[in-house]
Amino acid sequence: EAGVTQSPTHLIKTRGQQATLRCSPISGHTSVYWYQQALGLGLQFLLWYDEGEERNRGNFPPRFSGRQFPNYSSELNVNALELEDSALYLCASSTGQYSNQPQHFGDGTRLSIL
Amino acid sequence: GENVEQHPSTLSVQEGDSAVIKCTYSDSASNYFPWYKQELGKRPQLIIDIRSNVGEKKDQRIAVTLNKTAKHFSLHITETQPEDSAVYFCAAKGSGGSNYKLTFGKGTLLTVNP
Repeated sequence: EAGVTQSPTHLIKTRGQQATLRCSPISGHTSVYWYQQALGLGLQFLLWYDEGEERNRGNFPPRFSGRQFPNYSSELNVNALELEDSALYLCASSTGQYSNQPQHFGDGTRLSIL
Repeated sequence: GENVEQHPSTLSVQEGDSAVIKCTYSDSASNYFPWYKQELGKRPQLIIDIRSNVGEKKDQRIAVTLNKTAKHFSLHITETQPEDSAVYFCAAKGSGGSNYKLTFGKGTLLTVNP
């Protein structure tokens, strides 16, 4: 069974640009979560999608947005990039909308802002 | 919202010794507590989880205990091996509304010295 896959592996952008990160969940998983892992700050919750809807959002500005497609894959968009957006962006997936099922992570996209 | 504190931030042990990492959480309604291991440059991997109706769970050399009254949970690794060296994250999942998400601790860097 394939795990959570993310693309691209690395992304280099400059300030003010826009970035799009992609995630494919484990087959059968309907929930997709996005996290930001900046150096020394642990994993910060960004967004949760389930069945195509945004279910919860972390304390991030509106320029962080995303969507979930009918096949449950997801996209994270970051507009007006700032230097502090440089981080590893991790996607996770799980089954069930409100069940306490484990989240399984992808390898992440390393976003670097120059 | 939920707040998770994790201690210690770094832990160094000799091979064969035990390691204990402790976490406290603030939301008494939290009901799911996973632990993740993240090796350098790799994805976080779920190593064990516990639900609020259970006080202790064990899987080979790894065990987790939960004290709901005190709102803390701990990871215990016995007979540590060099391959246990990694960053360990605890997390708590709240219930209801904006708390329905995983909140992570800041991580513990465990080093097992041969």
